[in-house]
Amino acid sequence: EVQLVESGGGLVKPGGSLRLSCAASGFAFSSRSMKWVRQAPGKGLEWVSSISSTSGKIYYADSVKGRFTISRDNAKNSLYLQMNSLRAEDTAVYYCARGNGVRGVNAFDIWGQGTMVTVSS
Amino acid sequence: EIVLTQSPATLSLSPGERATLSCGASQSVSSNYLAWYQQIPGLAPRLLIYDASSRATGIPDRFSGSGSGTDFTLTISRLEPEDFAVYYCQQYGGSPITFGQGTRLEIK
Repeated sequence: EVQLVESGGGLVKPGGSLRLSCAASGFAFSSRSMKWVRQAPGKGLEWVSSISSTSGKIYYADSVKGRFTISRDNAKNSLYLQMNSLRAEDTAVYYCARGNGVRGVNAFDIWGQGTMVTVSS
Repeated sequence: EIVLTQSPATLSLSPGERATLSCGASQSVSSNYLAWYQQIPGLAPRLLIYDASSRATGIPDRFSGSGSGTDFTLTISRLEPEDFAVYYCQQYGGSPITFGQGTRLEIK
């Protein structure tokens, strides 16, 4: 079964750090681009970051650039999001998602169940 | 940044009826790289349509996508009870990737 499972969410104070993980199974992880998408409580979807299959291309939303770092370990079938200098407005459910093909431009065809990040004092 | 505007914000229909959801882009979407997602509250989004008109794996044929350039449509031919959810469009041809604000499809 194709599956993505996020972990690492929790409650953190403003200015703090958190590292999210996404464990992939059931497909050739090393051949697919991966993404992080977040959803603030009661709000819509916001793309956060993307990484190509080989980590050669990395992109960030302006709202997280310079604070968040996406990475992957193809040997461990895992995706990561290091989040530093967290703000209240980063509070959201964070989803990892898979690119739906091997070309450079993809929709997001498989999503994890999400992990909640709450930034509050 | 490409801004996607979805209409209507809320659509009230009955099972068996046809639903038409719209997504307008502030500038042309490159190569029609436009997707539609369904989200049931409390669950992760599900990909329905990609490249404006291609159905994702396992998606029933009552879901169809059309459009090009700046105007796109998701049509659900005959609503089933499980179709009542929030729908988002997304463009992934330009940077940054952007989503519309969503259309809530509710039971009338």
